[in-house]
Amino acid sequence: DTGVSQNPRHKITKRGQNVTFRCDPISEHNRLYWYRQTLGQGPEFLTYFQNEAQLEKSRLLSDRFSAERPKGSFSTLEIQRTEQGDSAMYLCASSSSSGGAETQYFGPGTRLLVL
Amino acid sequence: AQSVTQPDIHITVSEGASLELRCNYSYGATPYLFWYVQSPGQGLQLLLKYFSGDTLVQGIKGFEAEFKRSQSSFNLRKPSVHWSDAAEYFCAVGPRSNDYKLSFGAGTTVTVRA
Repeated sequence: DTGVSQNPRHKITKRGQNVTFRCDPISEHNRLYWYRQTLGQGPEFLTYFQNEAQLEKSRLLSDRFSAERPKGSFSTLEIQRTEQGDSAMYLCASSSSSGGAETQYFGPGTRLLVL
Repeated sequence: AQSVTQPDIHITVSEGASLELRCNYSYGATPYLFWYVQSPGQGLQLLLKYFSGDTLVQGIKGFEAEFKRSQSSFNLRKPSVHWSDAAEYFCAVGPRSNDYKLSFGAGTTVTVRA
């Protein structure tokens, strides 16, 4: 079963450092999403790709955040100059635009702690 | 704008008892509706979804949910809870237009007591 995978699963960093997370979607899925989840809250949308094109970015995605999806396969989410407020679970999801309704399948997440 | 409300932050239920988790949504039309479950430190697992048709939908692990348009609700139920059902449950809505992101409620934490 090749579900959505994310690496690393956990990351501890010091304030001001840069971090990069990777997401590998389900292989036939052309849509990929990033969400952020803080303690006690539901996931909040950050950004979404269709193939390699980044089609929407949330206002939550400050200039310190950048996401890429080269060749429409895996995606990376980079946070520059991390702040303590960036501590959260970062979730990736993928789906297939086969027409009509679609379901997003989530990876296990990357938990970030900024000290 | 769409939004989801899960009125119950925390529910405690005895093993073998029934469970109902509430979800209310706000959206201009009928959205796509989902329930996900999250175990501690894990990602989200899809329990069930409603797109159209029969308003009572069955999911995995013995869960079901009923869409009630008049009440803008999509409540999740399970007749008999197992200890392994202890987790956090999220209701989500996805629009039917060209805007594919999900909007989640704040979640309900379920504790199962022996």
